[in-house]
Amino acid sequence: KAGVTQTPRYLIKTRGQQVTLSCSPISGHRSVSWYQQTPGQGLQFLFEYFSETQRNKGNFPGRFSGRQFSNSRSEMNVSTLELGDSALYLCASSFSPGMDTEAFFGQGTRLTVV
Amino acid sequence: AQSVTQLGSHVSVSEGALVLLRCNYSSSVPPYLFWYVQYPNQGLQLLLKYTSAATLVKGINGFEAEFKKSETSFHLTKPSAHMSDAAEYFCAVSSPNDMRFGAGTRLTVKP
Repeated sequence: KAGVTQTPRYLIKTRGQQVTLSCSPISGHRSVSWYQQTPGQGLQFLFEYFSETQRNKGNFPGRFSGRQFSNSRSEMNVSTLELGDSALYLCASSFSPGMDTEAFFGQGTRLTVV
Repeated sequence: AQSVTQLGSHVSVSEGALVLLRCNYSSSVPPYLFWYVQYPNQGLQLLLKYTSAATLVKGINGFEAEFKKSETSFHLTKPSAHMSDAAEYFCAVSSPNDMRFGAGTRLTVKP
């Protein structure tokens, strides 16, 4: 069974640009969550999607957005990139919704903003 | 609001020695607790989770953790460290609508 797939693995963008990251969950999983990991702030929850609906949202500005498609694949978008957005972005999928269920993580997308 | 505190950002042990990684949590509702491991340039892998079924939880790779409500702790242990255990470990507390991670503990295993 394939794991959670995140693309691309590495990305370099310029300040002010926007970026879209993709996450394909484990087959059969309908819940997808996104996290930002930085050396300074650690792991922080961005948002959770289930059945194409955002269920939960972390404390991030509106520049961070996401969506989920009918096949459960998810994308997150960051607009007007800032240097501080440089981070490892992790996606996790689970069979059922809720932050208390077992989640399986992808390898992440490392975003560098220059 | 929930929170997690991991005591010690770095822990170093000798191969074969006991591993003890400390985690204390704060939660206003009965918590779900997790330990994850992260190897360099990888995502997080679940080691074990507590969901109130049993206070002593056994996980993968010989790790286990004990939930102590009176101490609000969920420390991770392994009787004998292996070189392959070197990684960063994260404790997390969750409720249905929120998940908070600790800052992480980097485990070094010396030969």
